[in-house]
Amino acid sequence: QSVLTQPPSVSGAPGQTVTISCTGSSTNIGAGYDVKWYQQLPGKAPQVLIFGNNYRPAGVPDRFSGSKSGNSGSLAITGLQAEDEADYYCQSFDNSLTSHVFGTGTKVTVL
Amino acid sequence: QVQLQESGPGLVKPSQTLSLNCNVSGGSINIKNYYWSWIRQHPGKGPEWIGYIYYSGSTYYNPSLESRVVISKDTSQNTFSLRLRSVTAADTAIYYCARVMDPPDFNGFDVWGQGTTVIVSS
Repeated sequence: QSVLTQPPSVSGAPGQTVTISCTGSSTNIGAGYDVKWYQQLPGKAPQVLIFGNNYRPAGVPDRFSGSKSGNSGSLAITGLQAEDEADYYCQSFDNSLTSHVFGTGTKVTVL
Repeated sequence: QVQLQESGPGLVKPSQTLSLNCNVSGGSINIKNYYWSWIRQHPGKGPEWIGYIYYSGSTYYNPSLESRVVISKDTSQNTFSLRLRSVTAADTAIYYCARVMDPPDFNGFDVWGQGTTVIVSS
């Protein structure tokens, strides 16, 4: 049972904006630990999209942006494209579990 | 550009030890400030961090697996390894090796292997 909860699915038409939430608690995101976001295409390994709550690695389009507030983090995808259809996971650290933890995952569908 | 590649048996019998290696190419495993990690993913679930080894050799494990896990590195071969003992069907998963830069609670796992499927079955 993951300590980071995400909506199972979100969808949007091409060009629209979708937002994925990642709800944690006072022992992880709320404790000040940073949120990371990963994209996982079918049959592939996850790839980091966001680290340090809102930083993008080189090569990640600026259509992807992250934010954090209180016990939660969010990933926004603007200008949705067909290639964005994938599973997305958040990740943080939990000081009660003393472990890096991943979210439950969200499947993004482009209509 | 650093690349990672997992290798090891795809089938392990219950109660036995799962052993996987991760070959690091394009860079040294001894480079400062990097953690070399093992992460697994059960079918249809989110990834699960197993543990990592720092360039210095210090190891850190997920407490839920710590009693059964050992991560080690071989600098002469530029590889690091996972040993998970007393496996059960619950250990059936895709196993990934990955890298994260210090501090790991800020940085993401930025390089991943392609993953290797391990099935625990008699």
